[in-house]
Amino acid sequence: QSALTQPASVSGSPGQSITISCTGTSSDVGGYNYVSWYQQHPGKAPKLMIYDVSKRPSGVSDRFSGSKSGNTASLTISGLQAEDEADYYCCSYAGSTIYVIFGGGTKLTVL
Amino acid sequence: QVQLQESGPGLVKPSETLSLTCTVSGGSISSYYWSWIRQPPGKGLEWIGYTHYSGGTNYNPSLKSRVTMSIDTSKNQFSLKLSSVTAADTAVYYCAKIGSGGARWDCWGQGTLVTVSS
Repeated sequence: QSALTQPASVSGSPGQSITISCTGTSSDVGGYNYVSWYQQHPGKAPKLMIYDVSKRPSGVSDRFSGSKSGNTASLTISGLQAEDEADYYCCSYAGSTIYVIFGGGTKLTVL
Repeated sequence: QVQLQESGPGLVKPSETLSLTCTVSGGSISSYYWSWIRQPPGKGLEWIGYTHYSGGTNYNPSLKSRVTMSIDTSKNQFSLKLSSVTAADTAVYYCAKIGSGGARWDCWGQGTLVTVSS
């Protein structure tokens, strides 16, 4: 099973909005509403930002939102802040055997 | 507030078995499913497997033949054993709690770097 496809990098200026895509197949992203997104700062553990495509855990800023269309999920960050600069990984449920597949990660640079 | 802490050797020789333990505090290990996830230096995340106190386990098919996970409820710990390691198994290993509903991790340990080298 191949990794989900994410852009290697995205960038934006403070205050702007950016969107990170995550493309899979009908066997993972397109087949289930179990896409999650993780933020990882250098040297730190990943942090859950979005789950079940569009739900936010308690404590996560509402500047972070998720959506899905077909086999592609998206993470949108509005009102970019310097602290948002990090790596972002998507993850999708892929059935009981494979369980989950991660994306390759996207480096977000806040200019 | 559940907290997780990985422990184990930072250096393992090729062909030997990597062994890590995750200590759970702030919650009962019997209440959730628990996972190991790894990240090779400079690369992305890879799910290794999950385990539950009831004995239920599920491993990444690509690692299944070499992975064993277990839980010690008396110590509130769960563990990972990965056999016949090679340099490709060098990574930061994270233990993590699976969130209610599954297929997501809402609490992570800080991670521990394991290097496979002679």
